[in-house]
Amino acid sequence: DAGVIQSPRHEVTEMGQEVTLRCKPISGHNSLFWYRQTMMRGLELLIYFNNNVPIDDSGMPEDRFSAKMPNASFSTLKIQPSEPRDSAVYFCASSLAGPTSPLHFGNGTRLTVT
Amino acid sequence: EDQVTQSPEALRLQEGESSSLNCSYTVSGLRGLFWYRQDPGKGPEFLFTLYSAGEEKEKERLKATLTKKESFLHITAPKPEDSATYLCAVTDTGRRALTFGSGTRLQVQP
Repeated sequence: DAGVIQSPRHEVTEMGQEVTLRCKPISGHNSLFWYRQTMMRGLELLIYFNNNVPIDDSGMPEDRFSAKMPNASFSTLKIQPSEPRDSAVYFCASSLAGPTSPLHFGNGTRLTVT
Repeated sequence: EDQVTQSPEALRLQEGESSSLNCSYTVSGLRGLFWYRQDPGKGPEFLFTLYSAGEEKEKERLKATLTKKESFLHITAPKPEDSATYLCAVTDTGRRALTFGSGTRLQVQP
């Protein structure tokens, strides 16, 4: 299996622009997670889907962030408008059966907002 | 709210020098404690899951143990390729997604 695939690997954008991050989970996994990693705060959960339905979005910072999972093989995380404090590495992960199953992470998208 | 604290923040070992990493947790009903390894520029890679106090798991030079308040990752005779950041995470009976600690950055020198 190719593992979890994220795109792009790097994104540099200006403040106020829209940013869309993409994720393809491992086939057959029913849960998908978006995490954000910074030096100051470590890995933080943004949102968690089970069978394409958002289960926990309590980590989504504010209305500027939105996530969708239109089908079992694709998810997007959108930031509009972006701000410099959004600069971080964004990871997507999938698991076979919820958070008690091991998470398989992609290699992340490094976002820089100038 | 689940809390995970890892220590030390950083650890430098000589090749062959065994040591342990600590993960203390506070959770309302532990469903699972996870250890991950993260290399620079990559996503975390799953190592172990522990479900109940007294449980132990081993993989090559790594051994993870669990008590009711903490977990240890023991590294026996480490090699330079064991250099990485080791992350601990927990999930609870509310089936919330994993809460991660801040990690221990391990460097093993030849």
